[in-house]
Amino acid sequence: NAGVTQTPKFQVLKTGQSMTLQCAQDMNHNSMYWYRQDPGMGLRLIYYSASEGTTDKGEVPNGYNVSRLNKREFSLRLESAAPSQTSVYFCASFYRDYSNQPQHFGDGTRLSIL
Amino acid sequence: KQEVTQIPAALSVPEGENLVLNCSFTDSAIYNLQWFRQDPGKGLTSLLLIQSSQREQTSGRLNASLDKSSGRSTLYIAASQPGDSATYLCAVSSEGEYGNKLVFGAGTILRVKS
Repeated sequence: NAGVTQTPKFQVLKTGQSMTLQCAQDMNHNSMYWYRQDPGMGLRLIYYSASEGTTDKGEVPNGYNVSRLNKREFSLRLESAAPSQTSVYFCASFYRDYSNQPQHFGDGTRLSIL
Repeated sequence: KQEVTQIPAALSVPEGENLVLNCSFTDSAIYNLQWFRQDPGKGLTSLLLIQSSQREQTSGRLNASLDKSSGRSTLYIAASQPGDSATYLCAVSSEGEYGNKLVFGAGTILRVKS
């Protein structure tokens, strides 16, 4: 019963490098989300995908791109990493919008950019 | 813009004490409110979800209340235990720019001393 799986768990990058964070869910959920969590702040929404084939910007999308590869997988890409993107990134999935069901979260990717 | 505030930021109590965590939000037009638990280095686990039409939800030693008109929610933990030590996050789902996506508070760090 894996739930939401994120890879990698930890990553250190140099400024300007690119990388893709992977997320997969096995609960047949329609909606998937990417958040970032910074010290002293709540989680902030980066991008979301309400259903397979759709993606939309959240509160803090600058510097990121996403791909909803299929119903199970939703990836987050940093094209040119900046120190301000040092954070913990969480992926979440949700049965569907307006269903009054809780979101399910992965364990996070801890990303440091030097 | 919806903003969520949690008070206190940190709380340390002796084992066995009953305690209350507070959450306030600025826009009362919410769809639901959720309380999450986050253990160090882990993702978020949903504890309770209160729909906008409900006043409270209970699960074991946890009770969450919602006063939508005043923009407040409380999480009551009875007979606290060391295993309750974690960060507790409040999040609201509201109609708005991002549909019913979650807006999080910064959390309350709880330590229960044995």
